[in-house]
Amino acid sequence: EPEVTQTPSHQVTQMGQEVILRCVPISNHLYFYWYRQILGQKVEFLVSFYNNEISEKSEIFDDQFSVERPDGSNFTLKIRSTKLEDSAMYFCASSGDRGTEAFFGQGTRLTVV
Amino acid sequence: DQQVKQNSPSLSVQEGRISILNCDYTNSMFDYFLWYKKYPAEGPTFLISISSIKDKNEDGRFTVFLNKSAKHLSLHIVPSQPGDSAVYFCAAFTSGSARQLTFGSGTQLTVLP
Repeated sequence: EPEVTQTPSHQVTQMGQEVILRCVPISNHLYFYWYRQILGQKVEFLVSFYNNEISEKSEIFDDQFSVERPDGSNFTLKIRSTKLEDSAMYFCASSGDRGTEAFFGQGTRLTVV
Repeated sequence: DQQVKQNSPSLSVQEGRISILNCDYTNSMFDYFLWYKKYPAEGPTFLISISSIKDKNEDGRFTVFLNKSAKHLSLHIVPSQPGDSAVYFCAAFTSGSARQLTFGSGTQLTVLP
């Protein structure tokens, strides 16, 4: 069964450092998303990506964040200068053109120290 | 701004009985609703969805009911099984947008053997 895969599963980084979280969406999907869940809080939308550009982004997705689809398979989230409050589980998701449900990866736990 | 609310943080049910998880929403632009199940350290897993043109959708042990006038939906699981123990998230989106999901805060379901 096709699935969304994310690497790494856990990333520890020093405050101020750049991190890149990687995702391989389901191959025939067209919509790609990043969400995050701070410990004990709800899953929050960060950004959606369609047709090689950002479709929507939330207020969380400020200038420190960027997304890229560098080739036909990978979808990355970059945080330029991490802050302590960026510590969270980051989930990548994708959905197809006809399907309405988004399928999620297993997440990357980002810990900023 | 809680557009999707799950007011019960937890629910315990005996194995074999019905589990009813509730969700309320405030944004009348939402026209598609989904339920996701999440185990610790994993990404949300899609369970079942319903479009606003319907009031019920059934898939095996899972049934989702939508009451548009009350802006309320519920997920029924019958019979409940211990393996159903997880956090259940209600989510919604507007089909005209990039279909990003707005999540509720989740309900921890515990099915007791």
